Amino acid sequence: DAKTTQPNSMESNEEEPVHLPCNHSTISGTDYIHWYRQLPSQGPEYVIHGLTSNVNNRMASLAIAEDRKSSTLILHRATLRDAAVYYCILREIRGYSTLTFGKGTMLLVSP
Amino acid sequence: DSGVTQTPKHLITATGQRVTLRCSPRSGDLSVYWYQQSLDQGLQFLIQYYNGEERAKGNILERFSAQQFPDLHSELNLSSLELGDSALYFCASSVGGDRVFNYGYTFGSGTRLTVV
Repeated sequence: DAKTTQPNSMESNEEEPVHLPCNHSTISGTDYIHWYRQLPSQGPEYVIHGLTSNVNNRMASLAIAEDRKSSTLILHRATLRDAAVYYCILREIRGYSTLTFGKGTMLLVSP
Repeated sequence: DSGVTQTPKHLITATGQRVTLRCSPRSGDLSVYWYQQSLDQGLQFLIQYYNGEERAKGNILERFSAQQFPDLHSELNLSSLELGDSALYFCASSVGGDRVFNYGYTFGSGTRLTVV
């Protein structure tokens, strides 16, 4: 599986936007970019995914660089509940591919 | 409630013993995945089943085995338990098959296994 690189941790203040970066310079044309997050003492939770175009949903936005070698997960207004470990994962488009989790970014949100 | 049910939530057992962890996938999902999360290893993929058949294997020890039943629930069997097997075990489900890229995984809340 192609690898991703994320900062170990980031800090934010409540109600401010958060931009979580992810580098994936070896991404292939058949890799989707997935983001998951894991709140304390819970299982991972799907956040968003995309291939080439920017994506928006009720949780977040995903901005994908034109060359697809990096992406940014955007939380528009951080809340205390958004404090979690965020994982950026590349997943092949072919059938039966699995998710391989790295260490992710621990997001700390201050009141 | 994610729709993926894992039982039991907590399990304490002695070294050398055998335990079974159970997972019921979200309604309509055909794929089940098992993950192990320990403090030093992070989330490690163990094994995947799709509609009763094994589809992918990760870092699963020979002492561990799994199966998916006709009703699509899955069980992870851990035997000859060692202290190092203490971890959170997560089950996830997805639609699976050739449409994997359109769907994410839904995780359960996990089973915390403590081997003493």
